[in-house]
Amino acid sequence: EVQLVESGGGLVKPGGSLRLSCAASGFSFSFYSLNWVRQAPGKGLEWVSSIGISNNYIYYADSVQGRFTISRDNAKNSLYLQMNSLRAEDTAVYYCARGATSGMSVPFDYWGQGTLVTVSS
Amino acid sequence: DIQMTQSPSTLSASVGDRVTITCRASQSISNWLAWYQQKPGKAPKLLIYKASSLETGVPSRFSGSGSETEFTLTISSLQPDDFATYYCLHYNSYSKTFGQGTKVAIK
Repeated sequence: EVQLVESGGGLVKPGGSLRLSCAASGFSFSFYSLNWVRQAPGKGLEWVSSIGISNNYIYYADSVQGRFTISRDNAKNSLYLQMNSLRAEDTAVYYCARGATSGMSVPFDYWGQGTLVTVSS
Repeated sequence: DIQMTQSPSTLSASVGDRVTITCRASQSISNWLAWYQQKPGKAPKLLIYKASSLETGVPSRFSGSGSETEFTLTISSLQPDDFATYYCLHYNSYSKTFGQGTKVAIK
């Protein structure tokens, strides 16, 4: 069974940093692209970042470019999101989502349950 | 950047109704479009990919159609489990864009 479990969320002050993790199991981790998607309270879904199978392709939404860094460790079956210079508008549930194949032009077929990040003073 | 415009934002329907949700792209996206269902407090669930391909395990009352700039998600006979919010997603290699969502509520 495919499982994605996010961790690392919490309360952080504006300008602060946080690192999210996503632990994967139940599939061959290194063969799939991975993504972060967020959802602000009561709002819609927003794509944040994507990474290819070997850190070769990395893309960000304009809203986080230069502040967030996505990475993966295939040996640990883990995905990460380093978030710096956090703003109130980054407050959201952050989901880890698997790409349907190793490619980048694929939808997200499995999702974690999300971790809440709250940016507030 | 490509914008995805979903309509309506909300709709009220009854069990057994045929429901259609539309997603329009600001420029041609071929068939790189997926549909998701999300229930409160839960992660989204993939229903349709490549505009019209049904994800494994998804009931056949869900269908998708369209290409280029206009796409539709149709639920042929609404069931109690279908009351949820639906999102379209344009996906390409370097960017992904969700529609704003359509909440399907009980009439």
